[in-house]
Amino acid sequence: GDSVTQTEGQVALSEEDFLTIHCNYSASGYPALFWYVQYPGEGPQFLFRASRDKEKGSSRGFEATYNKETTSFHLQKASVQESDSAVYYCALGEWGSALGRLHFGAGTQLIVIP
Amino acid sequence: EAGVTQSPRYAVLQEGQAVSFWCDPISGHDTLYWYQQPRDQGPQLLVYFRDEAVIDNSQLPSDRFSAVRPKGTNSTLKIQSAKQGDTATYLCASSLWDRGPNTEVFFGKGTRLTVV
Repeated sequence: GDSVTQTEGQVALSEEDFLTIHCNYSASGYPALFWYVQYPGEGPQFLFRASRDKEKGSSRGFEATYNKETTSFHLQKASVQESDSAVYYCALGEWGSALGRLHFGAGTQLIVIP
Repeated sequence: EAGVTQSPRYAVLQEGQAVSFWCDPISGHDTLYWYQQPRDQGPQLLVYFRDEAVIDNSQLPSDRFSAVRPKGTNSTLKIQSAKQGDTATYLCASSLWDRGPNTEVFFGKGTRLTVV
């Protein structure tokens, strides 16, 4: 079945550091890819999506590029802030059906130290 | 615009007890989902509806879990006889059916269930 792998369980950075969170996927079809962010006590919030090869999604300074060849959708941000501390989830959605059928990775907790 | 509303926010049960979770999706959203999120894990889909019809409940432990959406608006997820392994946050989400690249799924804050 479809699945998402996030390599890092936790990332700790200082403010203004560069962020990369790795996401690789496995899917039989051509899925849409998503990043969600979850703050304590809240549900996941949509960050951005990409739905075709080489498409870049971005929001709030975060970005990721859909790479079909390497089956990856790595999240990056040039300069993190303390307010970015949260759990980040990579997810894939089944194209052609309701795109709410999301398969989530295990999540990466980002801790930004001021 | 009101978001997805869930109640209760917290529940603590003993094993064997029953519990129901309630969800009010965003007005006009025809698709509703229930996800289970164990601690320190990503959400996992349990069941989803389009209007009042179940689209997929293959991940729902059918012997103890049930979900309904009788009028295609609000929904209830029920656990008949809770087990410690059911301890998790239960998330409800909603969206518009198959809007292609513009589909966006909105999540509620969840119900945190602890079974002791």
